Amino acid sequence: AQSVSQHNHHVILSEAASLELGCNYSYGGTVNLFWYVQYPGQHLQLLLKYFSGDPLVKGIKGFEAEFIKSKFSFNLRKPSVQWSDTAEYFCAVNPSGSARQLTFGSGTQLTVLP
Amino acid sequence: EAQVTQNPRYLITVTGKKLTVTCSQNMNHEYMSWYRQDPGLGLRQIYYSMNVEVTDKGDVPEGYKVSRKEKRNFPLILESPSPNQTSLYFCASSWLGSAAEAFFGQGTRLTVV
Repeated sequence: AQSVSQHNHHVILSEAASLELGCNYSYGGTVNLFWYVQYPGQHLQLLLKYFSGDPLVKGIKGFEAEFIKSKFSFNLRKPSVQWSDTAEYFCAVNPSGSARQLTFGSGTQLTVLP
Repeated sequence: EAQVTQNPRYLITVTGKKLTVTCSQNMNHEYMSWYRQDPGLGLRQIYYSMNVEVTDKGDVPEGYKVSRKEKRNFPLILESPSPNQTSLYFCASSWLGSAAEAFFGQGTRLTVV
């Protein structure tokens, strides 16, 4: 079975700092990769996803992620964070062709200080 | 507006008292699923359904039941809740396909005392 590791449990940054959140997965075949965000008290929303093509994926609100197949990684980046980016971020994987969908990592809580 | 609606949002109950959390989606999605979210563990899938009358176990199905009698509804049933089922629950729906975006409900915070 596939699994997802998010090594940073809590990240604290000041506004305008650059962000990189790590995500590694374990699965030997072709995968679809996702980043979801959960703002305080809200439901999860899709930030971006990769399923094929250009490994550098751009999402909403200035976020991007790079799929590096050789490293089984899908790290999330943003050049300059804002206070409104404070949220919990979840990486998720779904093997191509799988019926089950979405195995999530444990999440990274991002706190941006004004 | 496209949405997944869960009810109730908050629920406190006692051990052993059967309860149902409802989930409804208005996007005509084939796929629906239930997750529980616990600190440090992320979201873990409880049950999923690929269409009406087709359901299957996820990673943590013990103590839960589901049904899919209509395409839009996917209730989660706890026949005899226990304190270890205290959690935040999310229902999600999507089109079939491993690259499909999942749409989540607002969550149900359940406390079992």
